[in-house]
Amino acid sequence: GAGVSQSPRYKVTKRGQDVTLRCDPISSHATLYWYQQALGQGPEFLTYFNYEAQPDKSGLPSDRFSAERPEGSISTLTIQRTEQRDSAMYRCASSAIVGGADTGELFFGEGSRLTVL
Amino acid sequence: KNQVEQSPQSLIILEGKNCTLQCNYTVSPFSNLRWYKQDTGRGPVSLTIMTFSENTKSNGRYTATLDADTKQSSLHITASQLSDSASYICVAAGGSGGYNKLIFGAGTRLAVHP
Repeated sequence: GAGVSQSPRYKVTKRGQDVTLRCDPISSHATLYWYQQALGQGPEFLTYFNYEAQPDKSGLPSDRFSAERPEGSISTLTIQRTEQRDSAMYRCASSAIVGGADTGELFFGEGSRLTVL
Repeated sequence: KNQVEQSPQSLIILEGKNCTLQCNYTVSPFSNLRWYKQDTGRGPVSLTIMTFSENTKSNGRYTATLDADTKQSSLHITASQLSDSASYICVAAGGSGGYNKLIFGAGTRLAVHP
């Protein structure tokens, strides 16, 4: 696609429910990132993928969080048994550069705003 | 601990004026330093990317500087416009996670008034 697309844009759920957020990166981009952004703060790293491999998921706050990118393109972020503290903007970004100490530019999606009641 | 600190937290200037935003980082090993502009409700958009060997980089009215020795960066905005109102986020790449774990600052919220 022309840009990074995320869905849904807004999700309101009740505590304890599972939610799945979707990211469709720029089609030529090998690397995909998930970030969590609280209001008034910068994005915080959750995890990233190089194609379908997930080299680093150290930013996932708990085992309730998981991400997949089974075919190296579209990715999903799933939060199980949601809690109110999970409420945040979840941002996806993609880059054409695969790892390395270089300067790959990240392109961010519009984000999915999750509200847990 | 890898971290990025930005100042000021917020800033109000009049249209046409210049301003400078500051960023201090403690990321090791360090790969590159980025500045992003984030409009309200939108995703961050890249302004500049500088490696440790670069001292300055410009993008239109935006000029970023980097001092890798003191681990400081600044973003200078010239002849500000109303559309410059946004959050400006400093990002350091590197640290124990390597290139792929970017460390984001909390941002400086800039408001340009007519």
